[in-house]
Amino acid sequence: DTEVTQTPKHLVMGMTNKKSLKCEQHMGHRAMYWYKQKAKKPPELMFVYSYEKLSINESVPSRFSPECPNSSLLNLHLHALQPEDSALYLCASSQEGTRASYEQYFGPGTRLTVT
Amino acid sequence: AQSVTQLDSQVPVFEEAPVELRCNYSSSVSVYLFWYVQYPNQGLQLLLKYLSGSTLVESINGFEAEFNKSQTSFHLRKPSVHISDTAEYFCAVTRMDSSYKLIFGSGTRLLVRP
Repeated sequence: DTEVTQTPKHLVMGMTNKKSLKCEQHMGHRAMYWYKQKAKKPPELMFVYSYEKLSINESVPSRFSPECPNSSLLNLHLHALQPEDSALYLCASSQEGTRASYEQYFGPGTRLTVT
Repeated sequence: AQSVTQLDSQVPVFEEAPVELRCNYSSSVSVYLFWYVQYPNQGLQLLLKYLSGSTLVESINGFEAEFNKSQTSFHLRKPSVHISDTAEYFCAVTRMDSSYKLIFGSGTRLLVRP
């Protein structure tokens, strides 16, 4: 299984809502990532988890809260978002400890619209 | 710091024509190089990578890229494109000593016309 899955595919939420994005992989990867991608732009790294611990936070606003409950799951909790947070949110994973760790595998993304 | 430049924002070509998508990078340390492809409304797929060894790398669907250290380039080529190759292509680098941060270029939209 070389797949990263993400749910939901689409999400529309108001600025006062609380919602969560979910990501799952069963490749035995121990590094997981959240990216944000605006239209016609490359992905921007938000967070990196390594062995279920947060290792990189790219100065992301606190209205985005990541969580890694176990080695296969990655969540992104959303609260009090702004319209400019509307984007495609991509999850990725990679191995750790070998040269292959440089290859990141991406999920299909969640298209988020904040109204 | 590392940076990646994809000078062409869009490359229109006719079906069965050859294509080259250009990628140049800048880095004070050694890097690994990647090409990712993003089809409409989908995530990114790894197309090919250069980690070491032969400077010419190939993908299973006919794309190839050549790492040129002296010119700091990693251009992507295909001798004959198909309509289905229409997509956004991103060149990316990561430091050899730190695997987490992929630095992406701005992307090139390949538009294949019949």
